[in-house]
Amino acid sequence: LAKTTQPISMDSYEGQEVNITCSHNNIATNDYITWYQQFPSQGPRFIIQGYKTKVTNEVASLFIPADRKSSTLSLPRVSLSDTAVYYCLVGSFGSSNTGKLIFGQGTTLQVKP
Amino acid sequence: NAGVTQTPKFQVLKTGQSMTLQCAQDMNHEYMSWYRQDPGMGLRLIHYSVGAGITDQGEVPNGYNVSRSTTEDFPLRLLSAAPSQTSVYFCASRWNTGELFFGEGSRLTVL
Repeated sequence: LAKTTQPISMDSYEGQEVNITCSHNNIATNDYITWYQQFPSQGPRFIIQGYKTKVTNEVASLFIPADRKSSTLSLPRVSLSDTAVYYCLVGSFGSSNTGKLIFGQGTTLQVKP
Repeated sequence: NAGVTQTPKFQVLKTGQSMTLQCAQDMNHEYMSWYRQDPGMGLRLIHYSVGAGITDQGEVPNGYNVSRSTTEDFPLRLLSAAPSQTSVYFCASRWNTGELFFGEGSRLTVL
């Protein structure tokens, strides 16, 4: 199982770009990297997923280097509503290998005005 | 589509009591799982299932039982509740695309 390591907390100001890096040194060949956001008293929700290089959607970008031992979630121009806990999850999918999906401790992002 | 539905949302138990947390999904997902989240902490995997009739243990399975008789339902049973099981419990499901869909959580207090 690929264990993930993230910074415990980060602070930012409104309008800034925030980059959160996740380390996953023992990622397997068929593992994907998925990021989730969690607000207090709510279940996590999907932000973005990738396998290699760069993925971008309407809310974030995900950068994955060639060795795939780390990944960086980039949030452009954060607002106060982006204050949340962000989790990096590494795991494979497919009918025969959708087993243990272990979350790390997550990164608490505090956005200040 | 209701997504992932958990019941009850809140529950108070006395030590030694048993109960079942219900989880149902209407997305025809093969994979379902249960996590617990203690205050200020991350999510820890209790049990998971990759399909009807198949279950397996996660990180913290002790004190919990699960079964998966249908694709839609994945109940979590606490056989003899302990104060250490006070937590928020989240059920999640996914298809092969990898995105986990979470329920709203069930907040359990064991006195």
